Amino acid sequence: KQEVTQIPAALSVPEGENLVLNCSFTDSAIYNLQWFRQDPGKGLTSLLLIQSSQREQTSGRLNASLDKSSGRSTLYIAASQPGDSATYLCAVRPDQAGTALIFGKGTTLSVSS
Amino acid sequence: GAVVSQHPSWVICKSGTSVKIECRSLDFQATTMFWYRQFPKQSLMLMATSNEGSKATYEQGVEKDKFLINHASLTLSTLTVTSAHPEDSSFYICSARDRRGTEAFFGQGTRLTVV
Repeated sequence: KQEVTQIPAALSVPEGENLVLNCSFTDSAIYNLQWFRQDPGKGLTSLLLIQSSQREQTSGRLNASLDKSSGRSTLYIAASQPGDSATYLCAVRPDQAGTALIFGKGTTLSVSS
Repeated sequence: GAVVSQHPSWVICKSGTSVKIECRSLDFQATTMFWYRQFPKQSLMLMATSNEGSKATYEQGVEKDKFLINHASLTLSTLTVTSAHPEDSSFYICSARDRRGTEAFFGQGTRLTVV
């Protein structure tokens, strides 16, 4: 059974710092991996989607990498800002068929000004 | 990206009543929809998967008679929480995927509070 783990559970950093969020999954046979942002009491905002054949994706200050063989992904946030404060969720899609995403518990990020 | 609209965004109901949550895909045909539940400080847990025109497939431990899912059209799925109890209070989020199936798009979520 696929399990997704995110470390750390919470992270506090001063504004301007670069940071890395970690995600690991137990079964390397995945179709894709996706990073989301969730603000308190809100839905999910998709940040980056990495197909299983890709190694990384970039969007602005965000860079996500995928090492499928080792079951790991990282989300790198450059020059963090207070507006980046949120919970970041990692999710894997097991296969191409109509299967749902499997989520980690998330990393709650707090960026202080 | 594609838009999924979920309503209501929050609802308070009395114990024993039923509540219906709607999930609509606004600009694409959602051949598959997923319903998740999220308890405070926990991850999203899949409740059920539904394909248009078919009965929903429920995850183990989810009561299909309590959480009624209808996916009657390619743009609308509904989740009805029947005979709601305080322990059903949670954040419910729907997700929709089109026929190509590359990416799933999420609704804004519904905060259900049963008093």
